[in-house]
Amino acid sequence: AQKITQTQPGMFVQEKEAVTLDCTYDTSDPSYGLFWYKQPSSGEMIFLIYQGSYDQQNATEGRYSLNFQKARKSANLVISASQLGDSAMYFCAMREGEWRGYSTLTFGKGTMLLVSP
Amino acid sequence: KAGVTQTPRYLIKTRGQQVTLSCSPISGHRSVSWYQQTPGQGLQFLFEYFSETQRNKGNFPGRFSGRQFSNSRSEMNVSTLELGDSALYLCASKELPNTGELFFGEGSRLTVL
Repeated sequence: AQKITQTQPGMFVQEKEAVTLDCTYDTSDPSYGLFWYKQPSSGEMIFLIYQGSYDQQNATEGRYSLNFQKARKSANLVISASQLGDSAMYFCAMREGEWRGYSTLTFGKGTMLLVSP
Repeated sequence: KAGVTQTPRYLIKTRGQQVTLSCSPISGHRSVSWYQQTPGQGLQFLFEYFSETQRNKGNFPGRFSGRQFSNSRSEMNVSTLELGDSALYLCASKELPNTGELFFGEGSRLTVL
C-alpha cells in the first residue's frame, strides 16, 4: 500500500486564487513528519513547509499553509494568492521516526500545478 | 552560500556501461542523501552518508553504490547500466543526519540507451 497518496495528477488555478493540493498518508508510527516540496522544471526540489505529528497548530510559511487533519491522515497544502511562478510539480513526503531531520523521505507521486494569468 | 551542486547535469550512457555522479553538499553540511526519480516509480531513496559512513540504504540492487569523502562530497556509482536506470538522480544535504532541513540539488539526468 502506498504510504503517501496524492490523488490529483494535475490542478489548474487562476492567478491570485487559492488552491489546495491533497495528500493522505499511512503510517503506524506515532511520530512522523510531513513535508511539501516544489519541483520546477529545473529539477531542484524546493522545501516549502513541514508539519510534525505532535505539532498542535497547522504549519504556515508565507503563502503556504498545511491543513493537517491527523485523524483523517491528511496533510493538504494550501497556496493562497497563486502566482505564475507557482507552476510546478508539488510533492508530499513523509519521514517516520522520532527526529524531524531524518533524510529518508517517502514521497507521493506528485501533483502538477499550472497557474494561468 | 552555494547550494547543493551536482555534476554532470546531463549524461547519456549505453547499456552495460557504468556511471559515476558527483554531489557537493552545502558548505558545513555533513549528511548527504541520494534519491532516484523516474516517471514510473517516482522519487525513491537510494542511500544516505554521514562522516564517510553509509547510514541508510534503500531497496536498490547492489549495482548502485556510493561513498562519501572526508570533505563531505559524495559520489554514487551505477554499474552495468540497464535501460530502467534512466532517471533524474537527486542529491540532498543537511547539516547533521538528525536535524535540519533537507536541501536538494538540481539533479543529474541520466539517459541509458
